[in-house]
Amino acid sequence: QVQLQQPGAELVRPGASVKLSCKASGYTFTRYWMNWVKQRPGQGLEWIGMIDPSDSETHYNQMFKDKATLTVDKSSTTAYMQLSSLTSEDSAVYFCTKGGNYLFYPMDYWGQGTSVTVSS
Amino acid sequence: DIQMTQSPASLSASVGETVTITCRASENIYSYLAWYQQKQGKSPQLLVYNTKTLAEGVSSRFSGSGSGTQFSLKINSLQPEDFGSYYCQHHYGTPWTFGGGTKLEIK
Repeated sequence: QVQLQQPGAELVRPGASVKLSCKASGYTFTRYWMNWVKQRPGQGLEWIGMIDPSDSETHYNQMFKDKATLTVDKSSTTAYMQLSSLTSEDSAVYFCTKGGNYLFYPMDYWGQGTSVTVSS
Repeated sequence: DIQMTQSPASLSASVGETVTITCRASENIYSYLAWYQQKQGKSPQLLVYNTKTLAEGVSSRFSGSGSGTQFSLKINSLQPEDFGSYYCQHHYGTPWTFGGGTKLEIK
């Protein structure tokens, strides 16, 4: 069965960077887009961007263009998202989600999310 | 970017009732509209995509309709497990955007 495993929580200092991981299993990793979504406490959902694991083609939400960097490691079927210059506005839960094998397919599996807290 | 406007923001209903949530897109998204359900403290789950296609394992009590800019999600015969938050999302080109959400509570 499809699984997307994410660490539960990260505590980071303001101004620092953090690299979140998402270990995929149960499907062919390189065949499907991987997305990342942000949810602040008690708030709605924001799409950050997507990456094609087969060739690392990316599409970003312009709002996160200077904040997030998406990468993958095909050998370990793991997707990563690095968040830079963290502020309190970046405190949120970040989900990785499996997309389709074409761009216009939504997110059919979600990881449990990593809760990022930015605090000194 | 395409703006998604969802209504109502909150809804109170009883078990057995039928409810409808609506979603409006700021421009034509054809049929590229998805709905997600999120329960407290959990990750969202895909319910419907391409406006009316039920995701795997989703109850037939859920149905989606619409096209272009106006869409709706109907839930027949509400069950206790249906309560939570619902989000629409367009999947017509990037950036994908979500509606603000509808919180469905037990009356």
